[in-house]
Amino acid sequence: DADVTQTPRNRITKTGKRIMLECSQTKGHDRMYWYRQDPGLGLRLIYYSFDVKDINKGEISDGYSVSRQAQAKFSLSLESAIPNQTALYFCATSDSSGGRANTGELFFGEGSRLTVL
Amino acid sequence: GEDVEQSLFLSVREGDSSVINCTYTDSSSTYLYWYKQEPGAGLQLLTYIFSNMDMKQDQRLTVLLNKKDKHLSLRIADTQTGDSAIYFCAHDRGSTLGRLYFGRGTQLTVWP
Repeated sequence: DADVTQTPRNRITKTGKRIMLECSQTKGHDRMYWYRQDPGLGLRLIYYSFDVKDINKGEISDGYSVSRQAQAKFSLSLESAIPNQTALYFCATSDSSGGRANTGELFFGEGSRLTVL
Repeated sequence: GEDVEQSLFLSVREGDSSVINCTYTDSSSTYLYWYKQEPGAGLQLLTYIFSNMDMKQDQRLTVLLNKKDKHLSLRIADTQTGDSAIYFCAHDRGSTLGRLYFGRGTQLTVWP
């Protein structure tokens, strides 16, 4: 089983609908992230959470909200989807513990492809 | 302008060396990274370099860091068709571990 699991993997929806993308992890990491990938634009950070009570906006948070239901679960919501939110969404985790072994590596899920018509 | 810049495409013949280049604007990074994304998959860390290093070698991979010019490169020796993927340069801007800033990615195509 994957360490970082995203559901759904693919979703097609219509403009104005509410959509939730879910992410769960078994890595025991405290930090979780949502990134958006658009062709030719790389990855842009939407929201991140350093623990259950900590939520932070990233570069492109407008039109999105998140919920950190537990250390292992971080969901992304689009309250009213619009076509320019069509993209590939990635959840990622990282470990905050210090020490020489921690290089800040992000561990990614396999992505959720969202199409808004 | 972009914080991290990469060329979007690179094509090489199997067996040749590939060099993917990246420039960045923020000199405060602690770590700089190369991530690989294969078709239909998430990103995976390929290699990284600590900011006080100039070079790091890991089997077929060589990472060069020129801090003065803010230039990072990834060389893949003896490139194989299985190396075809998108390669992302990323750095942390000296921020808390885990928050990374990515380039647009370089699509590497390896021809047999």
